[in-house]
Amino acid sequence: QQQVKQSPQSLIVQKGGIPIINCAYENTAFDYFPWYQQFPGKGPALLIAIRPDVSEKKEGRFTISFNKSAKQFSLHIMDSQPGDSATYFCAAKGGGADGLTFGKGTHLIIQP
Amino acid sequence: DAGVIQSPRHEVTEMGQEVTLRCKPISGHDYLFWYRQTMMRGLELLIYFNNNVPIDDSGMPEDRFSAKMPNASFSTLKIQPSEPRDSAVYFCASSSSRDTQYFGPGTRLTVL
Repeated sequence: QQQVKQSPQSLIVQKGGIPIINCAYENTAFDYFPWYQQFPGKGPALLIAIRPDVSEKKEGRFTISFNKSAKQFSLHIMDSQPGDSATYFCAAKGGGADGLTFGKGTHLIIQP
Repeated sequence: DAGVIQSPRHEVTEMGQEVTLRCKPISGHDYLFWYRQTMMRGLELLIYFNNNVPIDDSGMPEDRFSAKMPNASFSTLKIQPSEPRDSAVYFCASSSSRDTQYFGPGTRLTVL
């Protein structure tokens, strides 16, 4: 059972554009929603995270939008740069469990 | 801080052999997680420890997999006997809270 569904699988955006990656979850006990960035040959690195008591969180060029009623959250990257090209994973955890449930990932390419 | 350290970085072995992956968490972190990443299944939680005690091993695929954490600075994931379908990248992550998890660089395992 896939508890976190992520889309799109891949995304190509021109430099300066705003890529948007979406995730939907099923488990209403989830209460922590991080986004991870992974470069080839490296481990995932935390970008930004949100809890369901807020609808938006911004850190630098990265913004999470959260819709609790729809059980959806998304990542927006402002003023995207070629260096942002990576695979992005959404994740979730909660309900007394500490392990993360990950989406399948989005391969993002920012073209110069 | 050196971050999470994993060894070896690459392992190639033959079917039926025993494989041991090692992890040194960030000093002071009391949670340690083992994840597996494959193209087909993405990132999956295998097992996690809190204060060296296994808390949830429901993600361990079979009895061929075992994990230990003899002290706060060391954990192992063992596969015996290994099979070609175990080929994947295995990540260790640690955390000092119940939220932010820091991932190591991973061990790429190839079972021939």
